[in-house]
Amino acid sequence: ETGVTQSPTHLIKTRGQQVTLRCSSQSGHNTVSWYQQALGQGPQFIFQYYREEENGRGNFPPRFSGLQFPNYSSELNVNALELDDSALYLCASRTGGVYGYTFGSGTRLTVV
Amino acid sequence: KQEVTQIPAALSVPEGENLVLNCSFTDSAIYNLQWFRQDPGKGLTSLLLIQSSQREQTSGRLNASLDKSSGRSTLYIAASQPGDSATYLCAVRPSGNTPLVFGKGTRLSVIA
Repeated sequence: ETGVTQSPTHLIKTRGQQVTLRCSSQSGHNTVSWYQQALGQGPQFIFQYYREEENGRGNFPPRFSGLQFPNYSSELNVNALELDDSALYLCASRTGGVYGYTFGSGTRLTVV
Repeated sequence: KQEVTQIPAALSVPEGENLVLNCSFTDSAIYNLQWFRQDPGKGLTSLLLIQSSQREQTSGRLNASLDKSSGRSTLYIAASQPGDSATYLCAVRPSGNTPLVFGKGTRLSVIA
């Protein structure tokens, strides 16, 4: 029943390659956040966009970048993949104010 | 810097038992708090959202409480069922424009 869709669901990449993960949010969800979740850990914040502008960033290197588009979709790009980038990547979005976040089903990225 | 801790890390109970999951946070100045459920390898499903001005929220067999002054929240699950088996994550939103800060979760197993 989630209104946030992520693609692809699974992905295998080679170290050094680049990857783009995609997220489609519900209409009106003008804030989108991306998280990385390693096995057995809680999600770690990567960055957040509000109305197509980045307005927050976690402790991730610049090779993690993103975009948000006017149609409430967004993407996460990771360059020069490393083995430690293997994780579940989660997209979350919300409308303004007091509303909570809605999460997508995630993309499982494996770097070999 | 806000930090969120969840205890216990794992819990196993027989079907039908009532149980409590704990969440603590270091900075009492929060905007709201969300409890999520995560099935293995899947995304996050929002269970309950508590605003900073609220003391508790209920949905079906679930009840979440919030005590900002002591930096604690609990998730109470009544009459547990095997289908409740999952990881439960607590997440705090420090202010209106900030992303969520997660605990590492409690992995719950309900034995039939």
